[in-house]
Amino acid sequence: EVQLVESGGGLVQPGTSLRLSCTAPGFTFDDYAMHWVRQAPGKGLEWVAGISYYSDVIGYADSVRGRFTISRDNAKTSLHLQMNSLRVEDTAFYYCVKDMYVWGQGTTVTVSS
Amino acid sequence: DVQMTQSPSSLSASVGDRVTITCRASQGIRNNVGWYQHQPGKAPKRLIYAASTLQSGVPSRFSGSGSGTEFTLTIGSLQPEDFATYYCLQHNDYPYTFGQGTKLEIK
Repeated sequence: EVQLVESGGGLVQPGTSLRLSCTAPGFTFDDYAMHWVRQAPGKGLEWVAGISYYSDVIGYADSVRGRFTISRDNAKTSLHLQMNSLRVEDTAFYYCVKDMYVWGQGTTVTVSS
Repeated sequence: DVQMTQSPSSLSASVGDRVTITCRASQGIRNNVGWYQHQPGKAPKRLIYAASTLQSGVPSRFSGSGSGTEFTLTIGSLQPEDFATYYCLQHNDYPYTFGQGTKLEIK
């Protein structure tokens, strides 16, 4: 069974940047789209960004468009989320998701001064 | 953007009860809806995809229906492990959107 492992979370100040990564040790992403989904404390699930296998179709939530960039390296079986101009409201638990079906265990991002 | 309005936001029920959760899309999205169960401390789990197809390994007491703008998730006979938060997701077009969630609690 494919396992997704997120990394790169942490505590940062508002206005700074952070880069999340997701890998699938021993597996490939196959030809599926990959996504990032987050859950802020006490809130529901929020889809953040998605990217097709060939990176030709990319989408973002309105709340992050222009600040976050999703990318993938299929040869390295890795997915990334470059998060710039971070805001307090970006504080959340971030999940990597394959085909909106297989979920990682998540990584925490805290934006606070 | 497609908005998904999910109701109710919370639901109190007993083991053995039948419950239904509804999502309404702000525009037609064919059958591009999934339903997810989220338990505290765990990753969400997809129960239903394509509005009505049961994910492999998911108990048959879970069922989904709908197309266009109205979608429902039904749990036929609640079991103790079913008490969790449930979300619909539309994946017809970017940006994908989740419903607000339904917290299912034990009465």
